[in-house]
Amino acid sequence: QQPVQSPQAVILREGEDAVINCSSSKALYSVHWYRQKHGEAPVFLMILLKGGEQKGHEKISASFNEKKQQSSLYLTASQLSYSGTYFCGTEITSGTYKYIFGTGTRLKVLA
Amino acid sequence: DTEVTQTPKHLVMGMTNKKSLKCEQHMGHRAMYWYKQKAKKPPELMFVYSYEKLSINESVPSRFSPECPNSSLLNLHLHALQPEDSALYLCASSHREGREVYEQYFGPGTRLTVT
Repeated sequence: QQPVQSPQAVILREGEDAVINCSSSKALYSVHWYRQKHGEAPVFLMILLKGGEQKGHEKISASFNEKKQQSSLYLTASQLSYSGTYFCGTEITSGTYKYIFGTGTRLKVLA
Repeated sequence: DTEVTQTPKHLVMGMTNKKSLKCEQHMGHRAMYWYKQKAKKPPELMFVYSYEKLSINESVPSRFSPECPNSSLLNLHLHALQPEDSALYLCASSHREGREVYEQYFGPGTRLTVT
């Protein structure tokens, strides 16, 4: 049930773009995106609720496909501060409530 | 104030010790969470409190005992832990109303080492 993220790791130069995918075998109720820097707590980036939704936050945006089985996070013109591990997260609402994070994507931006 | 605080930042304990982790938020959130995170892995949900009532126990061993004294405080009592319980323990809080989904705010975590 854990969403699978790809790629597992990516290295960029400043100014380059990246896409991180979060895929599930079943439709997701919602998708949250978090970034966690080394030794720090996860920080919320954005939430998507509806199939076909797209949302942006400065140079970071995300989409949720129509079937609600895949979400993508787009990082444009990356900055050094974008380095960290990105997690998607979702609620599993069949049976008992669960909140589960995806497998994670380690992103490193080099100067 | 969008801060979740956790104490202590670091904890080293023996397998026979009893200790507690503390978490506090003043954002008026009515849902609070405990997560366990091993190195290079995603956080794993342990407990969820909703309106000060335990709503989820993710089959966590009984050596971990949560407590929610009021809507702002969350404790995790530890007893007879094993070395494999060494990890970063994260507390989080969020709004929660029915099935409405809200973002979680995380504390900085307590890094626990069991010797």
